Amino acid sequence: QVQLVESGGGVVQPGRSLRLPCVASDFSISSYAMHWVRQAPGKGLEWVAVIWSNGITKNYADSVKGRFTISRDDSKNTLYLQMNSLRDEDTAVYYCAREGLRAAGRGTGGFDYWGQGTLVTVSS
Amino acid sequence: QSALTQPASVSGSPGQSITISCTGTSSDIGDNNFVSWYQQHPHTVPKLMIYEVNNRPSGISSRFSGSKSGNTASLTISGLQAEDEADYYCNSCTSSKTFVFGSGTTVLVL
Repeated sequence: QVQLVESGGGVVQPGRSLRLPCVASDFSISSYAMHWVRQAPGKGLEWVAVIWSNGITKNYADSVKGRFTISRDDSKNTLYLQMNSLRDEDTAVYYCAREGLRAAGRGTGGFDYWGQGTLVTVSS
Repeated sequence: QSALTQPASVSGSPGQSITISCTGTSSDIGDNNFVSWYQQHPHTVPKLMIYEVNNRPSGISSRFSGSKSGNTASLTISGLQAEDEADYYCNSCTSSKTFVFGSGTTVLVL
């Protein structure tokens, strides 16, 4: 069945970098818009970034623009989030999510599948 | 990209109906019909409950329904059950083709 598995989380010092992979199973990420969403401890959901199915168009939340980069490797069916210049406030569980297709075959049918998340802790 | 505004908590007794509001602007909720709602129980992954304002994914109970008027979207839970106690988040696509979540609402079943 459809599955998304994130990894790469851990403890990192402020100003350092981290890359999160999200491996997808049972569907092709190239056919869907794919997102990253994060949730700080005890806080709400925050949308982070999207890469559209064309693989070219990418959009970011203002809070990460210029520091984070979303990308994908279709041959590995894997989504990535490259996080640079990390800050304390980037501490969160990071989820990858698939944007579902509507009946007309286009997005957005909401974030219909989510990974289990990976915890990133930015601390000195 | 300010978070959409939701009430911090909404409560109701079993069997009752409750409605959660989600207020945005003409640049998000008021701009399109790509409003979705998510349920999150403690220590679990968010679950899609409603998409495109009022569509339910397969397997979601008909007790959950959505609507929108102007810059405000709403989620109604009818026939409230103990298992509905959870956090609920709205989400909208924006005119800039980014996305924004609501601040979240805790539903309490009395």
